[in-house]
Amino acid sequence: DQQVKQNSPSLSVQEGRISILNCDYTNSMFDYFLWYKKYPAEGPTFLISISSIKDKNEDGRFTVFLNKSAKHLSLHIVPSQPGDSAVYFCAASSPRKSTFGDGTTLTVKP
Amino acid sequence: NAGVTQTPKFQVLKTGQSMTLQCAQDMNHEYMSWYRQDPGMGLRLIHYSVGAGITDQGEVPNGYNVSRSTTEDFPLRLLSAAPSQTSVYFCASRETGVPDTQYFGPGTRLTVL
Repeated sequence: DQQVKQNSPSLSVQEGRISILNCDYTNSMFDYFLWYKKYPAEGPTFLISISSIKDKNEDGRFTVFLNKSAKHLSLHIVPSQPGDSAVYFCAASSPRKSTFGDGTTLTVKP
Repeated sequence: NAGVTQTPKFQVLKTGQSMTLQCAQDMNHEYMSWYRQDPGMGLRLIHYSVGAGITDQGEVPNGYNVSRSTTEDFPLRLLSAAPSQTSVYFCASRETGVPDTQYFGPGTRLTVL
């Protein structure tokens, strides 16, 4: 049973437009949610996180929204840039472990 | 700081061979972990450690051993490699506590023939 799901394997957007990446989870006990970005042949790098007690966190062009009742979070990137093209992983954290989704490949076209 | 380093970058093994994937970090992080990533899938936790001398199993521990004798190093051992262990392996570390912001190494691509 997959506890963290990213239902869209890929997303393509035009430069300058908004990118919205989605993630669903099943376990109400997760206390933090995170997004990581991964380029080919590199390890994932942390992008942004949100506590389970908040519903929004913003950092520059990146905003994460959390809807606890729907067990859903999303990452908004505005405006999208070609350098944002990468695989984005959603992760849900409990005190000792993180559970990752399968990732969404974002392509930003110039 | 070098961050999290992993060696080797690439490795090819034959079925039944053993090897150790090395991981080191210079950030004095207590928590370290090993993940594997298979094509089209997310990262799955193999083993983790909350400090020197303390290790525990993750989601997919079978076929792997770990030890943590120092804060800096967290090697992953494959005792008898199987083709199902062909994957990319990532080591990560973080400070103890929340949020769970992990720093990942560059990965080791392992192929088992």
